[in-house]
Amino acid sequence: AQSVTQLDSQVPVFEEAPVELRCNYSSSVSVYLFWYVQYPNQGLQLLLKYLSGSTLVKGINGFEAEFNKSQTSFHLRKPSVHISDTAEYFCAVRLSGGSYIPTFGRGTSLIVHP
Amino acid sequence: DGGITQSPKYLFRKEGQNVTLSCEQNLNHDAMYWYRQDPGQGLRLIYYSQIVNDFQKGDIAEGYSVSREKKESFPLTVTSAQKNPTAFYLCASSIRDRGGNEQFFGPGTRLTVL
Repeated sequence: AQSVTQLDSQVPVFEEAPVELRCNYSSSVSVYLFWYVQYPNQGLQLLLKYLSGSTLVKGINGFEAEFNKSQTSFHLRKPSVHISDTAEYFCAVRLSGGSYIPTFGRGTSLIVHP
Repeated sequence: DGGITQSPKYLFRKEGQNVTLSCEQNLNHDAMYWYRQDPGQGLRLIYYSQIVNDFQKGDIAEGYSVSREKKESFPLTVTSAQKNPTAFYLCASSIRDRGGNEQFFGPGTRLTVL
């Protein structure tokens, strides 16, 4: 079975600073990886996903993530954050060719200060 | 526009009462899911359904029940047997295959049991 660890429960950052939200997974087989964002009192929406091919994936709102197979990581980055990026971010993993039920991390709360 | 709707957005109930949360989708997805979200615990899977008239228990099914009589609808009943029902409930749907398809989420229902 796969598992996902989001190493930071909360990440405070100042506006216009860069940010990295960390995600590590464990799986012995190939996986699909996802990052979702959840704004307060709303559902989740997809930021980006990695299926195969290029390890650098670009998503919406200027976010990108890099898949690192040797380190089993899929860290999310943004070079310059805005106040509006304040939200909860979830990393999720699905086994490639396996169950379509994803496993979610516990989430990282990104807090952007002015 | 295609999407998932959940109603109501906020729900208050007295302890010991059953309550049903609505989830409807017009994305023509076969798979639907119910998650419970508590602060700091990420998303926990309650039930999921792969096809009409079929559903399976997730990780925390005790005290909950579902039905899937129509492809578009997947209502969740929180019964009086659920010991701590106050939480944010999210419904999701997806294409049912082994590809890298993401889940689409509704806006959520916040249930408070008094």
